[in-house]
Amino acid sequence: ETGVTQTPRHLVMGMTNKKSLKCEQHLGHNAMYWYKQSAKKPLELMFVYNFKEQTENNSVPSRFSPECPNSSHLFLHLHTLQPEDSALYLCASSQPDPLAGGGYEQYFGPGTRLTVT
Amino acid sequence: SQKIEQNSEALNIQEGKTATLTCNYTNYSPAYLQWYRQDPGRGPVFLLLIRENEKEKRKERLKVTFDTTLKQSLFHITASQPADSATYLCALPMDSSYKLIFGSGTRLLVRP
Repeated sequence: ETGVTQTPRHLVMGMTNKKSLKCEQHLGHNAMYWYKQSAKKPLELMFVYNFKEQTENNSVPSRFSPECPNSSHLFLHLHTLQPEDSALYLCASSQPDPLAGGGYEQYFGPGTRLTVT
Repeated sequence: SQKIEQNSEALNIQEGKTATLTCNYTNYSPAYLQWYRQDPGRGPVFLLLIRENEKEKRKERLKVTFDTTLKQSLFHITASQPADSATYLCALPMDSSYKLIFGSGTRLLVRP
C-alpha cells in the first residue's frame, strides 16, 4: 500500500445526485492533489492543496467542489454531474521541498471509479 | 506550455529482452523528470526520479537517462518479465513548481 487511501473504490451516481469522494494520507505530506483519468487520456490535474490552502484550480467545472479540512484529508464533493464526468478519480500526496528544488515523488491512492448515469 | 509525448502504441516484447520506452518534451528543460508505473484500474506508482544534472539513474533492473539537448528521457527495463507488463508514465514539473504534468503513458506487454 502507498499510504494513501480513497473511498469509495467504485461509485455509480445519477446526474441529480450529490456524493463525496474521500482521500486520506498517512505519510505526513503537506500537498494533496485530485486528478481525473479518462480512458486513453493523460492524468488531468484538477485541484492542489498545499498546507491546506488551495493553490490550483485547473478550470474545473463548479459541479466539482474540493475540501481540505486538514493536511491529511481531502474531499471531492460532486453534484449534478454529467455522463462525461465518468472516469477514474485519483488522489495523491507529496512533500514539496523548495529548498531541495522540489521533485518529491507523488504517492497515489487506488482511485475511485466513478460512473455517471 | 510544456507538452509531453510518449508512444501511444503498446510495446510488445519477449521475456528476457530489454524494454526501452521514450519520453519527449517540447518546451523548457525541467529540473527533473519522473517515471511511474500504472496497472489497470490502479493509481500510478513512483519508480525513479532523475535530475537535469544527472545523465543516468539506475534501480535494480531499471535505468533512466535524461538528455536535455534532445529533450528526451529513455526508460529501460532489462531482463524483462511478464510481471513488468503495465503502463509507464513520464512526468515533468509544471514550470518551476512541484506540480506535475503527466504523459499519456506507454503500455508495455512482456510475452512469456
